[in-house]
Amino acid sequence: EVQLVESGGGLVQPGGSLRLSCAASGFTFRNSWMTWVRQAPGKGLEWVANINQYEGEKYFLDSVKGRFTISRDNAKNSLYLQMNSLRAEDTAVYYCATDTRGVFDYWGQGSLVTVSS
Amino acid sequence: ENVLTQSPGTLALSPGARATLSCRASQSVSGRYLAWYQQKPGQAPRLLIYGASSRATGIPDRFSGSGSGTDFTLTISRLEPEDFAVYYCQQYGSLPRTFGQGTKVEIK
Repeated sequence: EVQLVESGGGLVQPGGSLRLSCAASGFTFRNSWMTWVRQAPGKGLEWVANINQYEGEKYFLDSVKGRFTISRDNAKNSLYLQMNSLRAEDTAVYYCATDTRGVFDYWGQGSLVTVSS
Repeated sequence: ENVLTQSPGTLALSPGARATLSCRASQSVSGRYLAWYQQKPGQAPRLLIYGASSRATGIPDRFSGSGSGTDFTLTISRLEPEDFAVYYCQQYGSLPRTFGQGTKVEIK
């Protein structure tokens, strides 16, 4: 059974940093593209970033370019999202998901990030 | 970016009714690279349809997708109680990946 478990969310002040983690199991993580999607409270879904199997390709939503980085550790079956210079509009539940040629097959339960003073 | 517009915003129907949800793209979606997801309150989204019309593993056949180019449709042939939820379309033919704003299917 595929499992994705996010962690690392919390309350952070504007301008601060946070690192999200996603622990994967039940599938061959090193063979999979991975994605982060977020959802602001009461709003719709927004794709944030994705990464290929060996970190050779990474893509970002324009509004997070230069502030967020995506990485992975295949030995630890883990995906990461480093978020710097956080803004109020980054407040959201962040989901990690498997990314099969752009289709988000499996999702974690999400981690809430709140940016507020 | 390819902007997806879903309609209607809310669909109020009775169990057993047929639901027709629309997703219109601002640019043609190459290769019919269009997916549909279902999300229930407090839960993560679940993949229903990919490639515009292929059902994901374990999805009942009352869910079907159709369309190409800029116009896509998700049909639920007979609504079951567990189908009342929010539905999102998503295109993966280009970057950035984009979602529609969602259609809420609620009990009438």
